[in-house]
Amino acid sequence: GAVVSQHPSWVICKSGTSVKIECRSLDFQATTMFWYRQFPKQSLMLMATSNEGSKATYEQGVEKDKFLINHASLTLSTLTVTSAHPEDSSFYICSASERIYEQYFGPGTRLTVT
Amino acid sequence: AQSVTQLGSHVSVSEGALVLLRCNYSSSVPPYLFWYVQYPNQGLQLLLKYTSAATLVKGINGFEAEFKKSETSFHLTKPSAHMSDAAEYFCAVSESGNTPLVFGKGTRLSVIA
Repeated sequence: GAVVSQHPSWVICKSGTSVKIECRSLDFQATTMFWYRQFPKQSLMLMATSNEGSKATYEQGVEKDKFLINHASLTLSTLTVTSAHPEDSSFYICSASERIYEQYFGPGTRLTVT
Repeated sequence: AQSVTQLGSHVSVSEGALVLLRCNYSSSVPPYLFWYVQYPNQGLQLLLKYTSAATLVKGINGFEAEFKKSETSFHLTKPSAHMSDAAEYFCAVSESGNTPLVFGKGTRLSVIA
């Protein structure tokens, strides 16, 4: 089956620093990738949609200058949290889509900002 | 706008009992509906999906769901719960197969021995 990986699986960083999270589709080409954020014991909230080679589309309320998304190839999308603050601590999950009706999720990245 | 309502944030069943997790949706177009399971500190795994074919959808691990347009529901069931079914379950809706999913708030399933 289709596999999506994320790296790192967890990261701790200091306030004010930037963190990059990678999302890779390992055995298929993902035309579209989605980034979600999940707070403890809550549902997933879509942050942005990215298509290979074009700018990401951000959901209302998501700061595009703070959450930089780059979908550089059909197998890789990155999310960079710039100037991270403690309130950015969360579980970030990506998903990738190759064909209609099939969206595969990565294992998630736990970000803790101290 | 689409939305999903999952009734019951926490459901507890005995091992071997029927599992019923409720999901109602709202959509202005024929929906595509999904159930996902999430174990602690992990991503989401697709259990099953409805894409306008058969209204009774069978998924992995013995789960199934029935699409009822008249009730705008897509409830998830399993005849006999196993301890390994304890997890968080999310119902999601999409306008098409390649658009972002809108998730419900999730239902935590506990299985009692």
